[in-house]
Amino acid sequence: SAVISQKPSRDICQRGTSLTIQCQVDSQVTMMFWYRQQPGQSLTLIATANQGSEATYESGFVIDKFPISRPNLTFSTLTVSNMSPEDSSIYLCSVDMASQPETQYFGPGTRLLVL
Amino acid sequence: QKEVEQDPGPLSVPEGAIVSLNCTYSNSAFQYFMWYRQYSRKGPELLMYTYSSGNKEDGRFTAQVDKSSKYISLFIRDSQPSDSATYLCAMRGNTNAGKSTFGDGTTLTVKP
Repeated sequence: SAVISQKPSRDICQRGTSLTIQCQVDSQVTMMFWYRQQPGQSLTLIATANQGSEATYESGFVIDKFPISRPNLTFSTLTVSNMSPEDSSIYLCSVDMASQPETQYFGPGTRLLVL
Repeated sequence: QKEVEQDPGPLSVPEGAIVSLNCTYSNSAFQYFMWYRQYSRKGPELLMYTYSSGNKEDGRFTAQVDKSSKYISLFIRDSQPSDSATYLCAMRGNTNAGKSTFGDGTTLTVKP
């Protein structure tokens, strides 16, 4: 299994500012992902965080808005840039240990409110 | 139209009731069908998954997949107050490790 921690757990930010969310895993993992869960809506994949190279973004998400770093196999950051109230959401880090459903784990999430 | 549609809920049932949670989907490439449980202020945790069609039982929980109808269900027998949570269906293809498509979730409350 994998234990995932995220920082911060929650934050309230002003529009136009940026917030960086950290994800730390207790073991080395190949695949790390960032999801967004908007109020009352499903989880949506933002991007795959690739170690040592640029992240792979899903349709509708761009690097300028959501820059991602993955310096090693246990850590990743997601930045939400130039925030607007529409960015208010829960941001979840996820890892997949072995390409199987039973080996995918989610972090506790970061609750972001943009005023 | 969304790739995965989940019965919206919320659902409120008395303790001991049988609960049925359902999702439909449109992508024929989906091969893994998962159910996650998410408690308030927590990340989703995998409850059960099924590969391709069929049924799978784990204690009080039964997952069913009907690929011909593109329809999946999760049944909870003898529901308990501790089952109160949001349940998310999720699906992915064989090669999309970690990249699942989720339903919107159904919030279940089991009243003692």
